Order: sequence, then structure tokens, then C-alpha cells
Amino acid sequence: DAKTTQPNSMESNEEEPVHLPCNHSTISGTDYIHWYRQLPSQGPEYVIHGLTSNVNNRMASLAIAEDRKSSTLILHRATLRDAAVYYCILRGHYNAGNMLTFGGGTRLMVKP
Amino acid sequence: DTEVTQTPKHLVMGMTNKKSLKCEQHMGHRAMYWYKQKAKKPPELMFVYSYEKLSINESVPSRFSPECPNSSLLNLHLHALQPEDSALYLCASSQVKTSGRAGDTGELFFGEGSRLTVL
Repeated sequence: DAKTTQPNSMESNEEEPVHLPCNHSTISGTDYIHWYRQLPSQGPEYVIHGLTSNVNNRMASLAIAEDRKSSTLILHRATLRDAAVYYCILRGHYNAGNMLTFGGGTRLMVKP
Repeated sequence: DTEVTQTPKHLVMGMTNKKSLKCEQHMGHRAMYWYKQKAKKPPELMFVYSYEKLSINESVPSRFSPECPNSSLLNLHLHALQPEDSALYLCASSQVKTSGRAGDTGELFFGEGSRLTVL
């Protein structure tokens, strides 16, 4: 699976929007962009994924650049509970066993 | 039930001990995974089981021995571990393949992990 690059850490104020960037310049045409997050003392949890079009769900929005070389996870109103490490992961459509290869992730800190 | 249950939550063992970590899911998933996570680092894949057969072993030392006795259970047997093996061990499960249908995320469901300390 292709590599992703994310900032090590970001800070946000509570109740403000947060934009978490991810660069994936070597993405292939069949790679899906997945986001997971890991809250303190928990296992990772799925947030959202997309292929080409922007996606929304109850947790977040995913904005994908037209050339697919970057994407942005958007939390519309950060809460203290959103403090976590956010991982941007590329997963090939034909990835054997649906496994995930985690990169470094972005540690999001939310200030009250 | 979308839970993956891991036991024990904490384990302390000596280098000569034999112990096991257990993982259980009842979502009908036929792919199960072991990941290892050191402090402040991302999870690293160790093993993948598909349809109860080992499909991926990421060059893990033989002192870690996985076992998938049935479609709901995954074990990790530990023997003669080293202090550097101390870490959080995460189990996950998923469908084997994503169908591609709308709403099918193919997501992995993770347990809360077993925190292992080797003395």
C-alpha cells in the first residue's frame, strides 16, 4: 500500500472546526482513503473512507483533492472527546484480507 | 454486537513464562488480526487469519504463536518473551473482502487491547 504523510500533531479549540490534512502523492487508482482514530487507552476505530468524491457521515467529512494526491478529514465542531491520534491509511481495493497498514498519524489536542 | 473482546486487559509475565492472549468476536467476521503497538507509535501488523487459516505472518519471531480455533476466537500464545516485547497487543476483525456495495465500509473492528509487560 502507498505511503501517507500527516503532521505529527495539531491543536484545536473546543467547538471549532478542525481540518486534518493527509498527503498521499503515490496513491494508485484503486486505493481507497481510510481514516481511523485512536482515543486514549482504546483500540483504533473507523471514522470514514472514500475513493474520489467527498464523503460525509455522522462523525466527520472527508474532502478528497481532484488529483487524489491529498485529502482532508474535517471535524465540524471539535469536542474534548475528539482528542485522539488520527490515522490516514490507503487501502487497495484488492488488499488481501482487508488489512490496514498504519502510518504515523496526527495527534489532535482539543483545548477547552 | 459490534464488539471485539480481548482478555486479559493487563498481563505481566517473566521471560520464562508461557501465557496466552485471547480475542473473541461475534460479528460473523472471517478475517482476524493481531497488531502490536509500542508507546507513542502506530499499530504494527503481526498476523492475519482468513477463514481460520493464517494468511499473513509479518516475520514475527516464533516466540509469538497465533491460533484461530474457530471463526469467533483468536489466540496469541506467548513463550520465552523478551522485555522489548512489552507493548499493547490489539486484536481486530473484519469481513475478508469488501463487497464494494454502498455502505460496506470493510472496516476493521478493534478490541481495547491487552497490555503486556515482560519482566
